[in-house]
Amino acid sequence: EEQVVESGGTLVQPGGSLRLSCAASGLTVSGSYMSWVRQAPGKELEWVSTLYNGGSTYFADSVKGRFTISRDYSKNILYLQMNGLRAEDTALYYCAKSSWTMVRGLIMPDGFDIWGQGTLVTVSS
Amino acid sequence: EIVMTQSPATLSVSPGERATLSCRASQSICSSLSCRPSQNFTSNLAWYQQKPGQAPRLLVYGASTRAAGIPARFSGSGSGTEFTLTISSLQSEDFAVYYCQQYNEWPLTFGGGTKVEVK
Repeated sequence: EEQVVESGGTLVQPGGSLRLSCAASGLTVSGSYMSWVRQAPGKELEWVSTLYNGGSTYFADSVKGRFTISRDYSKNILYLQMNGLRAEDTALYYCAKSSWTMVRGLIMPDGFDIWGQGTLVTVSS
Repeated sequence: EIVMTQSPATLSVSPGERATLSCRASQSICSSLSCRPSQNFTSNLAWYQQKPGQAPRLLVYGASTRAAGIPARFSGSGSGTEFTLTISSLQSEDFAVYYCQQYNEWPLTFGGGTKVEVK
């Protein structure tokens, strides 16, 4: 059974850094299209970042230059390194896996079919 | 950025009734550069269900393909910019928030959600 479990969320001060982890089982993060999606309290879902199996990365404009996404092949873990945290980054962060589809000659991740339960990041002084 | 707009924000439905949820994209999210309703091109849209305290669950992708294990009472339709999720006969476990999401281009974007509540 494919499963992902997030960890690393905590209370952090504005301007601080945090690294989230997503441990996968039943799937390999290196062979999958893996993403982070967040949800502020009482709000809608917001895509944050995606890492392709080939290594390409994509980021929402709101986190570009502050967040990085990476993986550890040996541990089968996906990471989200978050620097320069702001109050508006406060959210439940989900790790999610998707398959892929071709869109006008480009590979795009399609629906997120595996989700973790999320890890809560609170940015506050 | 493609803006996804869902309506209504809240839908009050009695168990056993049909629920129809709408999602509109600010531009076409069809796989082809030229996509007409009569043509059989895939639209790059997914629907999710989220219950309180739970992670979202994928219901539909490609606008109309049910994900694995999703009951047949859930059906997606539409193309281009207008999409619908229909729940043919609401069960007690279907009362939740539903989100649409486009994956036609970066950034990936979600709609604001429709809450389906008991009437």
